[in-house]
Amino acid sequence: LAKTTQPISMDSYEGQEVNITCSHNNIATNDYITWYQQFPSQGPRFIIQGYKTKVTNEVASLFIPADRKSSTLSLPRVSLSDTAVYYCLVGSLNRDDKIIFGKGTRLHILP
Amino acid sequence: EAGVTQSPTHLIKTRGQQATLRCSPISGHTSVYWYQQALGLGLQFLLWYDEGEERNRGNFPPRFSGRQFPNYSSELNVNALELEDSALYLCASSLLRLLQTKSNEKLFFGSGTQLSVL
Repeated sequence: LAKTTQPISMDSYEGQEVNITCSHNNIATNDYITWYQQFPSQGPRFIIQGYKTKVTNEVASLFIPADRKSSTLSLPRVSLSDTAVYYCLVGSLNRDDKIIFGKGTRLHILP
Repeated sequence: EAGVTQSPTHLIKTRGQQATLRCSPISGHTSVYWYQQALGLGLQFLLWYDEGEERNRGNFPPRFSGRQFPNYSSELNVNALELEDSALYLCASSLLRLLQTKSNEKLFFGSGTQLSVL
């Protein structure tokens, strides 16, 4: 799995758009980019996944530039309930891989 | 469709005892992953099972072990418990199969077992 780098923490206010960027300079050709959200005392939950350009679902958007060395998770109009830890994973799963989560980004939404 | 289920929700043990944690994956999923998450810290990869075999393990001592049953459910055993084993233990499942190089599999997590070692 490619190593990822994310900000340790971010603060934002309700109603704002939040963008969390993940760097993954050694991403491989077959790798997908997947984001998970984790609330305290719960397991992470899948948010969005993409390979290139832009992906959007009902929860978030994922922007991936042409070189794929970074990606940005965009959360539109956040609310207090979006306070959580967000993990970026980049990988090509096979028998030799351990699915390693980084430290994630602790997002704190303020009223 | 039922999600990943873990039992028990909470487990209290004393030092030196053994703990057994259980996980039932989503129906049809053959891969099960175990993670340890100490309070305020990230997820530490423990074990990966697929088709009944251990496929990979993280940097944990041998007293952390497990198995996967024919129905793909899994058990994590922690022997000779130490205080620092206190953590949330998370199980995840996926459709990934051994030798499959498809990259876009997702993990589905259970709510975890909170293990407290006193």
